[in-house]
Amino acid sequence: QVQLVESGGNLVKPGGSLRLSCAASRFTFSDYYMTWIRQAPGKGLEWLSYISSDSDYTNYADSVKGRFTISRDNIEKSVFLQMDSLRAEDTAVYYCARLGPANSFDFWGPGTIVTVSS
Amino acid sequence: QSALTQPPSASGSPGQSVTISCTGSSSDIGAYDYVSWYQRLPGKAPKLIIYEVYKWPSGVPARFSGSKSGNTASLTVSGLQAEDEGDYYCASYAGNNGPYWVFGGGTKLTVL
Repeated sequence: QVQLVESGGNLVKPGGSLRLSCAASRFTFSDYYMTWIRQAPGKGLEWLSYISSDSDYTNYADSVKGRFTISRDNIEKSVFLQMDSLRAEDTAVYYCARLGPANSFDFWGPGTIVTVSS
Repeated sequence: QSALTQPPSASGSPGQSVTISCTGSSSDIGAYDYVSWYQRLPGKAPKLIIYEVYKWPSGVPARFSGSKSGNTASLTVSGLQAEDEGDYYCASYAGNNGPYWVFGGGTKLTVL
């Protein structure tokens, strides 16, 4: 069964930075696009970013464009989210998910918690 | 990048059917057949239960069905079971300016 495990969540002050990682296993990682999605407390899911299988293409939600950067390492089978200029409203559970058939998210990790607070 | 609109709650008794709506716009649900639904049970990661409006991933029971009309998609859960209780989210591809996706706010399904 596909496995995705996020790490790197922490408490950080406003304006600070954090780098999230997502380790993938049990599938051919280099064949798949990957995404990051988050859920703030009491709110719905929010798509944040995606990266193509060979890193050639990325895109971001307006809410994080210019502050967050997605990357991947196909050798290490990992995808990353560099988060800079963090704000209180970035407080959320962050999930990595595999982009599956017909633009769906077919497997998700358990999530990692990011808290932005002074 | 507006979120999709879902009712905050839905409920039904065991064995009954319940339908959850998901309303978007002509830029997302109305433009593409890339609507998907996710189930999140307490303490678990979201799980894909419907993709491409009505298709089932392997292992998902046929009690879950999806449909779409215009800018609104729907998820129907038939033969409700206690283990269906949880949160349900819709999502749609909306790739006008580079690929991106929008989600609904989620519907809490209670099995009475």
